[in-house]
Formats: sequence, C-alpha cells, structure tokens
Amino acid sequence: EVQLLESGGGLVQPGGSLRLSCAASGFTFVDYGMAWVRQAPGKGLEWVSTISGNAKNTHYADSVKGRFTISRESSENTLHLQMNSLRTEDTAIYYCVKEVGDPVFFDSWGQGALVTVSS
Amino acid sequence: DAVLTQTPLSLRVTLGQPASISCRSSQALVHSNGNTYLSWLHQRSGQPPRLLVYRISNRFSGVPDRFSGSGAGTDFTLRISRVQAEDVGVYYCMQATHFPRTFGQGTKLEIK
Repeated sequence: EVQLLESGGGLVQPGGSLRLSCAASGFTFVDYGMAWVRQAPGKGLEWVSTISGNAKNTHYADSVKGRFTISRESSENTLHLQMNSLRTEDTAIYYCVKEVGDPVFFDSWGQGALVTVSS
Repeated sequence: DAVLTQTPLSLRVTLGQPASISCRSSQALVHSNGNTYLSWLHQRSGQPPRLLVYRISNRFSGVPDRFSGSGAGTDFTLRISRVQAEDVGVYYCMQATHFPRTFGQGTKLEIK
C-alpha cells in the first residue's frame, strides 16, 4: 500500500523559510516522479512543483519559481520542498503526490501539511 | 497555460439520479504522443483528493463503475450514473499534458 507522510509544516513569518518533507513507502521510490500540490484555505488545487524519478528534471509553477526548490533523497525514500522568501499567499495545505507515467496522472496523495505564513 | 473551466460550479442532485460535470480547456490537451492527459479527482471535506479517472475515460483502481469520463480535444465530461451519498464533495478536472499542470476551479456536489 502506498503511503505518503508529510512533515515540516507550521507557522512562519513573511520572508521566512520552511522545509517540507514527505516520507514515501509501499512502492519503488526511484521509479516514480513526485509532485507537490497546494490548496489555500477554502480554495482549489494548485500544482507547485514536480521532480522526475531520477531527480534530473524539475518543474515549478511561476508563483514559486526562484523561491521554492524540490528535491528527493532516494536512499531515504523522501521528497522535500525547500520554501524560501515565503509570502502570505503561500499559506496552504501542501500535499505530497505520487505521479504515474510521463506525462502523468496523480494516483496517490498524502494527507497534507499546513503551512501558515503570517506575522 | 491551459486554463480549465468547469461547469457547473455547484450541483444539487437527488440520490439515485445522474450528474454531469463539464471541463473545458483553453488549449488542446492532446500530447505529442497522441494521448490526452485529462484526469478527474474527488475531494471530500477535510480529506486529500483522490483519483477517479485518468486519460479521459480510464477509471482508477477501486472506483465504482457509476463514474465515467468522456471527451476529446478541449471538452471533457465526468458523469455519475446514479449519485450515492458518498459522492458528495468537490470534483476537479486536471490536465498533465502541458506544464504547468493545471486544475479546474472545482464543482461542489451536494445531495438534494
């Protein structure tokens, strides 16, 4: 059974940094692309970033480009999202998502980590 | 960016009756490999989304056959043949043909 467990969420001031992690299990981690998708309170879904299974290819939404960095540690089956220069509009639940195919569909989602950017 | 527009944004349906949600894209979603990467997801309150349908019409593992997807090019539809109580929540279409990946605004389904 695929399990995705996010951690690292919390309250941070505007301009601050936070690092999210996602512990993956139940599948061969290196064989799949992974993504982060966020959802602001009461709003819809917004794709944030994607990384390929071999970590060679990354993509970002324009809203986070230059501020967020996606990475993965295959030895630990862990996905990360380093978030710098955080803004109030980055406040959201951040979901770790497993991708299937290339291009893809999003077949498994974590429970999410809440990031609140506020002074 | 491929903007996905869902209609309606809200739907109230009697139990056992059908429901239909439309998703229209501002760009064609056919990939260079000939496939169309349009998915449908369902999100219940307080839960993460879950995949229902991928590549227009393929039901994901464990999804009841009352859910069906159709469409081509820029126009797609999710149909529920007989709405059940557990179908309440928000439905999203999503495209993965192009970067950035984009989602529709969501359609909220309630029971009448």
